[in-house]
Amino acid sequence: GENVEQHPSTLSVQEGDSAVIKCTYSDSASNYFPWYKQELGKRPQLIIDIRSNVGEKKDQRIAVTLNKTAKHFSLHITETQPEDSAVYFCAASRSWGKLQFGAGTQVVVTP
Amino acid sequence: ETGVTQSPTHLIKTRGQQVTLRCSSQSGHNTVSWYQQALGQGPQFIFQYYREEENGRGNFPPRFSGLQFPNYSSELNVNALELDDSALYLCASSGGTSGEETQYFGPGTRLLVL
Repeated sequence: GENVEQHPSTLSVQEGDSAVIKCTYSDSASNYFPWYKQELGKRPQLIIDIRSNVGEKKDQRIAVTLNKTAKHFSLHITETQPEDSAVYFCAASRSWGKLQFGAGTQVVVTP
Repeated sequence: ETGVTQSPTHLIKTRGQQVTLRCSSQSGHNTVSWYQQALGQGPQFIFQYYREEENGRGNFPPRFSGLQFPNYSSELNVNALELDDSALYLCASSGGTSGEETQYFGPGTRLLVL
């Protein structure tokens, strides 16, 4: 089955700096890669997703890149703000299938 | 916030008891997936229901079972509760006529087994 590894487990950045989280996946049939943000005590919320026919996608300060050959994808957050502090999860799935999540990255943005 | 709701928000049970958790999917969605999230970990897939049929199951024992109703709401039942079942249980809805692949999560039910 699918296995998703996520690094780093914790990430501390200064406000205004960039943050990068990396994930690798094992199932070459996976074709959908969402990223979720989970604040303490709250539900995971989708922040961006990418499908395997696209190499990069941007939404304001957030971007995701996908390398299908190497089976890895990354989340980039630019100009970080204190409200970006949360746990971020990557996930991978086949179409409309189960999401296999990474272990999460605790991001702390210090003013 | 998503239109996915879950009840109850919190629950305390003792070992060996049974529990039923409920999930109402977002309007227009016909697929519900259930996940278990232990403290400090990522969500783990339990199973998925599509049009009232189980459509995929993760590595969970048979004492974890589910249902989906004609209105696409869903239940997760756990029998013979164990201490390790203590976790946040999340449901996510997706699908429908628009073919929405994105899974939108509910707020979760936090289960504590003593």
